[in-house]
Amino acid sequence: KQEVTQIPAALSVPEGENLVLNCSFTDSAIYNLQWFRQDPGKGLTSLLLIQSSQREQTSGRLNASLDKSSGRSTLYIAASQPGDSATYLCAVDTGNQFYFGTGTSLTVIP
Amino acid sequence: GAGVSQSPRYKVAKRGQDVALRCDPISGHVSLFWYQQALGQGPEFLTYFQNEAQLDKSGLPSDRFFAERPEGSVSTLKIQRTQQEDSAVYLCASKYRDLSYEQYFGPGTRLTVT
Repeated sequence: KQEVTQIPAALSVPEGENLVLNCSFTDSAIYNLQWFRQDPGKGLTSLLLIQSSQREQTSGRLNASLDKSSGRSTLYIAASQPGDSATYLCAVDTGNQFYFGTGTSLTVIP
Repeated sequence: GAGVSQSPRYKVAKRGQDVALRCDPISGHVSLFWYQQALGQGPEFLTYFQNEAQLDKSGLPSDRFFAERPEGSVSTLKIQRTQQEDSAVYLCASKYRDLSYEQYFGPGTRLTVT
């Protein structure tokens, strides 16, 4: 069974700092990897989708990379802002199922 | 609306009651997924539909859980004889097609069993 791990579980940074969130998965047979943001009491908002054939995707201050062979993905957030505070989840898509990590809880301190 | 919608948003049930949770996927999306998210955890897969066919129900935790999508659009997740351990957020997601397409999630239904 696919296992997805996210490190760190929690992160607190001052505003303006660049940061990296890590995601690892055990089975490289995936179709894509998706990063989500979840605010307290809310659903999941998709941030970036990386297809299995791609190496990275960028959206604004966010950059996600994928190394399928080693089972790793990173989400880079540049110039963090207090509004970035949320839980960030990565999920790998095996075609008919998503496997999620337990998330990284990010707090950006003004 | 343009997104996935779920109702009710919040549900409180007494232990032993039956509940039904509804999901309206994005129009035209073939694939529909249900997930259960316990507090502080990532979502866990429950079941998957392609149109009206339930292709995978391996994540349903017990035979008290039942899902249907009779016309290939709206889906209902039913939980019979609810237990306290069923308390969680139930998320629905839809996808245009299988494989590499993006999943879009609804806001979830928070179920509390007292």
